[in-house]
Amino acid sequence: EPEVTQTPSHQVTQMGQEVILRCVPISNHLYFYWYRQILGQKVEFLVSFYNNEISEKSEIFDDQFSVERPDGSNFTLKIRSTKLEDSAMYFCASSEDRARGSYTFGSGTRLTVV
Amino acid sequence: GNSVTQMEGPVTLSEEAFLTINCTYTATGYPSLFWYVQYPGEGLQLLLKATKADDKGSNKGFEATYRKETTSFHLEKGSVQVSDSAVYFCALSENAGNMLTFGGGTRLMVKP
Repeated sequence: EPEVTQTPSHQVTQMGQEVILRCVPISNHLYFYWYRQILGQKVEFLVSFYNNEISEKSEIFDDQFSVERPDGSNFTLKIRSTKLEDSAMYFCASSEDRARGSYTFGSGTRLTVV
Repeated sequence: GNSVTQMEGPVTLSEEAFLTINCTYTATGYPSLFWYVQYPGEGLQLLLKATKADDKGSNKGFEATYRKETTSFHLEKGSVQVSDSAVYFCALSENAGNMLTFGGGTRLMVKP
């Protein structure tokens, strides 16, 4: 069964550093998403991406964050100048169409900012 | 705004016990409702969904019925197995877009 692959599975970074979280969506999917889950809290929507541009973003997704699909297979989330409160599990997802909620999620990247 | 509330876990059951995980929601429109499951070390997987009132979603022995009058979508299974141990997330998606709003998740632990 096709999978969404996220790397790395765990990333530790110093406060103030930039990190890039990587995702390989399912190859024929057109819509891409990032969600995050701070430990003990809810899974929160960050951003959706379609046709090489952001289609929706939440209030969390401020200027510190950016997304990119650099080469037609990877989908990346960049966090500039990380803060302690950015520590969370970050999930990538993709879907073939806008069928509501029927995404395929990756296993997540646990980001720890120290 | 939209919100989803789930019962807090962990829920600990013996094998073959009956499972209910409560989920209620608040939405401005007529959302679709979902249950996702996360097994240890894996991503979120869609378990079942219902797109309109009175619809019943079902999969792998799990069921949930979309109750508009009580704004609920409780997850049930008649006989749980150890392999059902996981975290279960209730979620909704509004008509206007397909962003998912999640509940806090409920950890289920099934003992042999």
